[in-house]
Amino acid sequence: DSGVTQTPKHLITATGQRVTLRCSPRSGDLSVYWYQQSLDQGLQFLIQYYNGEERAKGNILERFSAQQFPDLHSELNLSSLELGDSALYFCASSAWMNTGELFFGEGSRLTVL
Amino acid sequence: AQSVTQPDIHITVSEGASLELRCNYSYGATPYLFWYVQSPGQGLQLLLKYFSGDTLVQGIKGFEAEFKRSQSSFNLRKPSVHWSDAAEYFCAVVPNTGNQFYFGTGTSLTVIP
Repeated sequence: DSGVTQTPKHLITATGQRVTLRCSPRSGDLSVYWYQQSLDQGLQFLIQYYNGEERAKGNILERFSAQQFPDLHSELNLSSLELGDSALYFCASSAWMNTGELFFGEGSRLTVL
Repeated sequence: AQSVTQPDIHITVSEGASLELRCNYSYGATPYLFWYVQSPGQGLQLLLKYFSGDTLVQGIKGFEAEFKRSQSSFNLRKPSVHWSDAAEYFCAVVPNTGNQFYFGTGTSLTVIP
């Protein structure tokens, strides 16, 4: 158990819909990262927050947004969903802003029909 | 272009045989280096990491990795593979100029009896 909790574990929705994925980092970790894993794209970095502030942005679509709340949990919002958004979305946390190691949650599997 | 390369998409080994998974990177100065393992339906778990110092790093589950600066490589090894080692293995790099993790595309390991 990494200590990182993600909900929901599975989500099935339709195109055009909006979903929210939730992540609770390990106790004490200030950094939260979001990754998308799909068969054809591998593990893609989406965005990182550190202590409530956006720290780094990767290949995140404009239809996607995220935030980190004062209690350090984070949410990833995916809107106007397309079939290609079907993927496994991972949250990871780290104690530090830079480097250190990432602790991954078990992921949220999103299926868009 | 900066990249992390895992040239072997899929490797099959017999149980008890030795294993080497390759990882090459193309970042400037020596980055921070990691190997993660992902079992089916699970998140990524850290096997080992290299920040500095001894270039031979020991990790969990009997794995080790060797950093070779001249070859920009960080190959993962295990002297005797167990059936439970079947999983997806990811090499990751954090350039020392930044804070983002860059993951390779992964190597899928199959272990045959």
